Amino acid sequence: QVQLVESGGGVVQPGRSLRLSCAASGFTFSSYGMHWVRQAPGKGLEWVAVIWYDGSNKYYADSVKGRFTISRDNSKNTLYLQMNSLRAEDTAVYYCARRSVTPPSGYYYYMDVWGKGTTVTVSS
Amino acid sequence: DIQMTQSPSSLSASVGDRVTITCRASQSISSYLNWYQQKPGKAPKLLIYAASSLQSGVPSRFSGSGSGTDFTLTISSLQPEDFATYYCQQSYSSGPTFGQGTKLEIK
Repeated sequence: QVQLVESGGGVVQPGRSLRLSCAASGFTFSSYGMHWVRQAPGKGLEWVAVIWYDGSNKYYADSVKGRFTISRDNSKNTLYLQMNSLRAEDTAVYYCARRSVTPPSGYYYYMDVWGKGTTVTVSS
Repeated sequence: DIQMTQSPSSLSASVGDRVTITCRASQSISSYLNWYQQKPGKAPKLLIYAASSLQSGVPSRFSGSGSGTDFTLTISSLQPEDFATYYCQQSYSSGPTFGQGTKLEIK
């Protein structure tokens, strides 16, 4: 079945780095854009980054721009999020989500498949 | 950035009630509006996309409407499993944004 599984979370000190992974299965990964979305404890959803299906375009939230890098390896069906210079406010559950589009027009985008999330805690 | 504002932030209702949640965008987003449901400790689940299209497998008691800046999510007859937090999300810009959420609680 269609599935996304995140990994790589953990406890890290402020200023350090961490790389998250998201393994996709059950669909043609290379045909879909992918998002990272995070949720701080007790807070709402915050979009983090998106990458086009072929990696040609990447966009970031202002809160992570210059510190986080989204990437993908279509040969491994895997999405990544490299997080550098981590701060306490980056503490959250990080979800990967598939970027789908309405057929056949291709106009409207939505996140229709989500992983269960991986927890990142930034603390000294 | 496009700001999304939901109202109310929380809502108490009973099983069988009709409930409406509102989402307002800071600028026109046409129909680039999605709704998600999230239960505690779980990932969000897509309910409605393109403002009014029901995602496959989602019960028909959920419906969405609106365009431009004002949108609504309606649950026609609340069921016990519908008590959750609901988020709207715009996909008009390359950087999507979510509303702050509406927590639907049992009265």
